Amino acid sequence: GAVVSQHPSRVICKSGTSVKIECRSLDFQATTMFWYRQFPKQSLMLMATSNEGSKATYEQGVEKDKFLINHASLTLSTLTVTSAHPEDSSFYICSASLPSGATYEQYFGPGTRLTVT
Amino acid sequence: KQEVTQIPAALSVPEGENLVLNCSFTDSAIYNLQWFRQDPGKGLTSLLLIQSSQREQTSGRLNASLDKSSGRSTLYIAASQPGDSATYLCAVDGSSYKLIFGSGTRLLVRP
Repeated sequence: GAVVSQHPSRVICKSGTSVKIECRSLDFQATTMFWYRQFPKQSLMLMATSNEGSKATYEQGVEKDKFLINHASLTLSTLTVTSAHPEDSSFYICSASLPSGATYEQYFGPGTRLTVT
Repeated sequence: KQEVTQIPAALSVPEGENLVLNCSFTDSAIYNLQWFRQDPGKGLTSLLLIQSSQREQTSGRLNASLDKSSGRSTLYIAASQPGDSATYLCAVDGSSYKLIFGSGTRLLVRP
């Protein structure tokens, strides 16, 4: 149980175009999903917290107009990288949280490798 | 601001060795701590979650301990195997259920 999928797994796009990444919780409903990015050989950095039916909360330094997040249902959150540039090339990973005892546990998707040429 | 540090950054051991990975965090006010495994180019697999009221969790050959007051956690891997080679990340959940990650320990288990 607690499977999270991402689509696509890999995408190459030209500079200036927009790219949408989907994150789905396959066998559970997630009121909260998270988006991270990871540069090579570095750890995960939280970009934003996505709550179903409300606006995402962005971390300091993350441009909300560039990284559009929509959490339209309890099983789907999307991240759109608008007007992508080569510096946006990275590994994007989403997670969905599920109650675990007195706290929550996050389950991660397999990630999306974005390359902007 | 919460900071998470993992030592060592990289580790190479022969197959069969028992090993310990270390994680420290600066703010002891956490809800839980999770250990993850990440294979190259892949997402994260959750290994163990320790709630703030717990001191350790075990799963198979893995044992994770938590000392919240000193801001430390260890992941113990018994009888290591080549298939254990991966990057191991620890993360703490301090507020709003947001995870703060360490930089990871890259483990290589040599046959």
